[in-house]
Amino acid sequence: DGGITQSPKYLFRKEGQNVTLSCEQNLNHDAMYWYRQDPGQGLRLIYYSQIVNDFQKGDIAEGYSVSREKKESFPLTVTSAQKNPTAFYLCASSAPGQVPQYFGPGTRLTVL
Amino acid sequence: AQSVTQLGSHVSVSEGALVLLRCNYSSSVPPYLFWYVQYPNQGLQLLLKYTTGATLVKGINGFEAEFKKSETSFHLTKPSAHMSDAAEYFCAVSGNTGRRALTFGSGTRLQVQP
Repeated sequence: DGGITQSPKYLFRKEGQNVTLSCEQNLNHDAMYWYRQDPGQGLRLIYYSQIVNDFQKGDIAEGYSVSREKKESFPLTVTSAQKNPTAFYLCASSAPGQVPQYFGPGTRLTVL
Repeated sequence: AQSVTQLGSHVSVSEGALVLLRCNYSSSVPPYLFWYVQYPNQGLQLLLKYTTGATLVKGINGFEAEFKKSETSFHLTKPSAHMSDAAEYFCAVSGNTGRRALTFGSGTRLQVQP
């Protein structure tokens, strides 16, 4: 079955540590996205990539980094520079020029 | 620039009653509009979308929404609520060119009372 997988489902991090969240899709979609969800704030765009080896900052990119070396994969690194990283992170993908986006099941990150 | 406003962070209805979740948008270009549903600790599932054409859009699970350009609204309705409809609902807007990333509202949590 085609879809988007995110791992791990739950992640705990100590302050000052970098952590990488995985996002993989087998939908053959060119575009991939990372969103952050906080209670009562909806989802906010962190980074997006419309093609391999290219990505753009979203609305809240500070403290995050991404790479897009393969079409299927778009990992997100939460760096120690992110002041408030505890949140639910959702990855999404879409075909070129298409909406809507299809979402993965999410990773809940907690900073201890 | 685009934005979405969802009126009411919590809505409670009785089972069998009408569900109405409100969404107003702001967009400088013709918008694409969406409703998503999220169950606890899960990703988002698309309920329905409006891109062009018919302004009354039917989605999954008996939901529908009507695009009203004059009111900049895209309210979600369902004639008869079911217990399984209890979830959080997000309205979102996207442009039809360029950056296709979605801009979301803050969400409405729907409770269904027996």
